[in-house]
Amino acid sequence: GAVVSQHPSWVICKSGTSVKIECRSLDFQATTMFWYRQFPKQSLMLMATSNEGSKATYEQGVEKDKFLINHASLTLSTLTVTSAHPEDSSFYICSASISGKEQYFGPGTRLTVT
Amino acid sequence: GENVEQHPSTLSVQEGDSAVIKCTYSDSASNYFPWYKQELGKRPQLIIDIRSNVGEKKDQRIAVTLNKTAKHFSLHITETQPEDSAVYFCAARSNDYKLSFGAGTTVTVRA
Repeated sequence: GAVVSQHPSWVICKSGTSVKIECRSLDFQATTMFWYRQFPKQSLMLMATSNEGSKATYEQGVEKDKFLINHASLTLSTLTVTSAHPEDSSFYICSASISGKEQYFGPGTRLTVT
Repeated sequence: GENVEQHPSTLSVQEGDSAVIKCTYSDSASNYFPWYKQELGKRPQLIIDIRSNVGEKKDQRIAVTLNKTAKHFSLHITETQPEDSAVYFCAARSNDYKLSFGAGTTVTVRA
């Protein structure tokens, strides 16, 4: 149980374009989903917290107009990186939880912006 | 917010020896401390966790200790095996349910 999927697993996009990453909880309803970014050889940095049906809460220094998060249902959250630049290239990982407790991580999405 | 420090950043041990990773946290309200193992390009895997009302927890070769007064917790891996080689992250969760991660420890087990 507690399976979280992400799609796509990797994506290459051109600078200036937008890319959408999906995070799904497959066998449970996630009231809260978290989005993390991990640069090579670094730790996971929380970008934002999203609760189903409400606006995401962004961490300090994360541009909410650039990283659009939608949590439209209890099983799906999306992260859209708008006007991507090479410095946005990273490993994006989501996690899902029930009432904010134990977090179940997705497999991650490797984004490369050329 | 919570600040988690983790040491060492790299650790090389001979197969069969023990490995110890230490973390400190800043927010006394933090009440849940998970440890994750992450292999290259993969998701973090929860390997053990401890809550603030417990001082020690063990699961086979892995143990975690927590000192709430000093605000530090440690991961102990005994009888290390090559498959224990990975990056290990400690984390702390406070009342807002957010996880704050340490910087990670790259563990290499030499055969």
